[in-house]
This record gives sequence, structure tokens and C-alpha cells, in this order.
Amino acid sequence: EPEVTQTPSHQVTQMGQEVILRCVPISNHLYFYWYRQILGQKVEFLVSFYNNEISEKSEIFDDQFSVERPDGSNFTLKIRSTKLEDSAMYFCASSQQGGNTEAFFGQGTRLTVV
Amino acid sequence: KNEVEQSPQNLTAQEGEFITINCSYSVGISALHWLQQHPGGGIVSLFMLSSGKKKHGRLIATINIQEKHSSLHITASHPRDSAVYICAVRPLSSGSARQLTFGSGTQLTVLP
Repeated sequence: EPEVTQTPSHQVTQMGQEVILRCVPISNHLYFYWYRQILGQKVEFLVSFYNNEISEKSEIFDDQFSVERPDGSNFTLKIRSTKLEDSAMYFCASSQQGGNTEAFFGQGTRLTVV
Repeated sequence: KNEVEQSPQNLTAQEGEFITINCSYSVGISALHWLQQHPGGGIVSLFMLSSGKKKHGRLIATINIQEKHSSLHITASHPRDSAVYICAVRPLSSGSARQLTFGSGTQLTVLP
């Protein structure tokens, strides 16, 4: 069964360092999403991406964040200068269409900023 | 602002019991998702609903659009059902990519 894969599963980084979280969405999917879940809190929307551009972004997704689809298969989330409060589980998701179609989630990357 | 409220927050059941988890939301939606999150953190999509009822194995999900309410039922619960169950909605007002708004989750523990 096709699945969304994320790497790494766990990343530890020093405050102020740049991190890139990687995702490989399901191959025929067109819409891509990043969500995050701070420990003990709700999952929150960060950004959606379609046709090589950002479709929507939340207020969390500030200038420190960027997304890219560099090669037609990977979908990356970059945090330029990590802060302690960026520590969270980051989930990538993809869907075939943007409307009422099911979103498939990756297993997540646990980011720890120290 | 769209709020998604789940109840209960925590639920402990004995193996074999029938379980119900509830979700209420405050705005018009195009779809509602039930998701399962295991202790390792990964999220699995269980159902996507826009009306009526869906069944998959021992899991049943219902939605009442007029009342802005959905329920997830688990029949003949088993310890392997222990997980966090999350309700997420796709508001009508969001853009074409229709991002999800999540509830806080219900921690289910099924004891053998």
C-alpha cells in the first residue's frame, strides 16, 4: 500500500541551527501539507502546497519556515534558525486532490531543539 | 474561529466493551476525519466523512451535519485499540487546499 514517508524519524539540533525535514508524498498525489504537534497539544496546520507554490499557510508559518519540492518526489520543510519552541512532532501529509479527498499522513519527524 | 471539541479526553475500557468517542465542531465543514495516533506518534487516517455513516471492521463513524457532531464507535474493543483518537474537520471557509483543524484527541486505553 502506498504511504507517505518522512525522514529522519528523530532530529536533535542546536538552537539557531537550520534543519530540513524531508517527506516523500504518495506518488500520484498533488496536494502536500505540513502539520506540527507540540508535545501534549493539538496537531496544528502549518502550510499547504500545490502546483509548486504555497496554497495556504497559518500564522505559525513565519519567515523562519520555508517549503520546497526540489525534485518532483521530495517535499521539504526548512526551519532557518531553530528556537526551543520549534521542538515538536512534524507531520507531512498528501492528498490526491485538495477538496474532500482523504489525506494520508507520514509517521512524523520528532524535532528536538536544545 | 473553528473549535473542534472531543469527549471524553481520556477513556479506559475493559476488553470487549463498546466504546464511543464524540466530536463537536462549530463551523460548516466539507468533511470530517477520524485519525488514530499510536504511542510512537504516527497518525493513521481511519475515516473521512461528509454525511451519514461508515464502517470498517469493528470501527463505525457517524456524522450529523445539522447538529455539527460526529461519533466514533469501536465494537468488541481490544487492547491493540489503545491509542489517541483525533477528530479533524475541513472547514468550508478554508482555501482550495482545505487544511484540517484538529481536536485535542481522546486517549483510549483498553485493558485486557
